[in-house]
Amino acid sequence: GAVVSQHPSRVICKSGTSVKIECRSLDFQATTMFWYRQFPKQSLMLMATSNEGSKATYEQGVEKDKFLINHASLTLSTLTVTSAHPEDSSFYICSARDELQQYFGPGTRLTVT
Amino acid sequence: GDSVTQMEGPVTLSEEAFLTINCTYTATGYPSLFWYVQYPGEGLQLLLKATKADDKGSNKGFEATYRKETTSFHLEKGSVQVSDSAVYFCALSARRGTASKLTFGTGTRLQVTL
Repeated sequence: GAVVSQHPSRVICKSGTSVKIECRSLDFQATTMFWYRQFPKQSLMLMATSNEGSKATYEQGVEKDKFLINHASLTLSTLTVTSAHPEDSSFYICSARDELQQYFGPGTRLTVT
Repeated sequence: GDSVTQMEGPVTLSEEAFLTINCTYTATGYPSLFWYVQYPGEGLQLLLKATKADDKGSNKGFEATYRKETTSFHLEKGSVQVSDSAVYFCALSARRGTASKLTFGTGTRLQVTL
């Protein structure tokens, strides 16, 4: 089946710094990728929908200036958490879709100290 | 808005026991319903789906039936194995197929012991 990778799998950063998370579709081209956030014991929350070559569509309540999304190619989308705060610590998951289905990456654990 | 409610875990079962993980939903219209599984260190994988009322999705011995009257999509397996230990997510989509926006439940961790 289709494979989606994320890098890094874990990252620790200091408050005020920025961190970039990559999401790649390894064996298919994805015109659309999704970014989710998961808090402990809570469901995955859709943050934004990323379309190749255009601006991302953010869900209500998600700060687009804080969570920068770039979908530069058909196989790569990046999420940059800017000026990170401890409350941004979470598990971030991306998915990439083809015509029929979403395929999920393994997630990135972000810890902001 | 749309929402999905799952039973809280963890669920701990002995091998060969019967499994039920409850899932109910709230949605306008006629959503498609899904179960995803996440094994340790891996991404979510689609386990099964149902796109209309009374449909039964099945895969790897797991089954779930789309019950519109009770707005439920409970996951069942007759005999679990240690290898089934994972986190299970119920989800819905307003449109057929998972390519569109998904709304997830909180996930239920299943631990199967020998």
